[in-house]
Amino acid sequence: GENVEQHPSTLSVQEGDSAVIKCTYSDSASNYFPWYKQELGKGPQLIIDIRSNVGEKKDQRIAVTLNKTAKHFSLHITETQPEDSAVYFCAASIGDSGYSTLTFGKGTMLLVSP
Amino acid sequence: DAGVTQSPTHLIKTRGQQVTLRCSPKSGHDTVSWYQQALGQGPQFIFQYYEEEERQRGNFPDRFSGHQFPNYSSELNVNALLLGDSALYLCASSSSGGMNTEAFFGQGTRLTVV
Repeated sequence: GENVEQHPSTLSVQEGDSAVIKCTYSDSASNYFPWYKQELGKGPQLIIDIRSNVGEKKDQRIAVTLNKTAKHFSLHITETQPEDSAVYFCAASIGDSGYSTLTFGKGTMLLVSP
Repeated sequence: DAGVTQSPTHLIKTRGQQVTLRCSPKSGHDTVSWYQQALGQGPQFIFQYYEEEERQRGNFPDRFSGHQFPNYSSELNVNALLLGDSALYLCASSSSGGMNTEAFFGQGTRLTVV
């Protein structure tokens, strides 16, 4: 089955710096890659996603890139703010007509210091 | 729109007991997936329900079972609880229309087995 590796496990940055989280996946059939943010005591919240027919996607301070050949994808957060502090999960999915299920990485704890 | 709602939020059970967790999907969603999230780990797929049937299943024993009702809400049942079943149980809903539609998570049920 699919296996998703995520690095780093923890990331500390100063407010205003950029943060990058990287993931690799094993199954070349995976075609959907969402990123989730999970705050303490809450469920994961979808923040951005990318499909395999796209190489990059941006949403304000957040961007995701995908390299299908290398089977890796990354989350980029610019101008980090203390409220960005949370655990971030990448996931991969092989989807077909709604049958998709998600395989998650182990998460990255991002700490943004003021 | 209330989003995905789960109940209860916290639960303490004794080893060997049985537990039922409940989930109401986001309005307009017809597919419900359940995930188990151990402390410090990413969510792991348990199973997915669509049209009141289990459509896919992850690597979990038969002690884990579920149900989906005509209104798309769902239950997760775990029998003969083990200490290792202690985790955050997450429900995610999605729409069956199209490929790889986004999955939205509830806040989870924290199950503690003592």
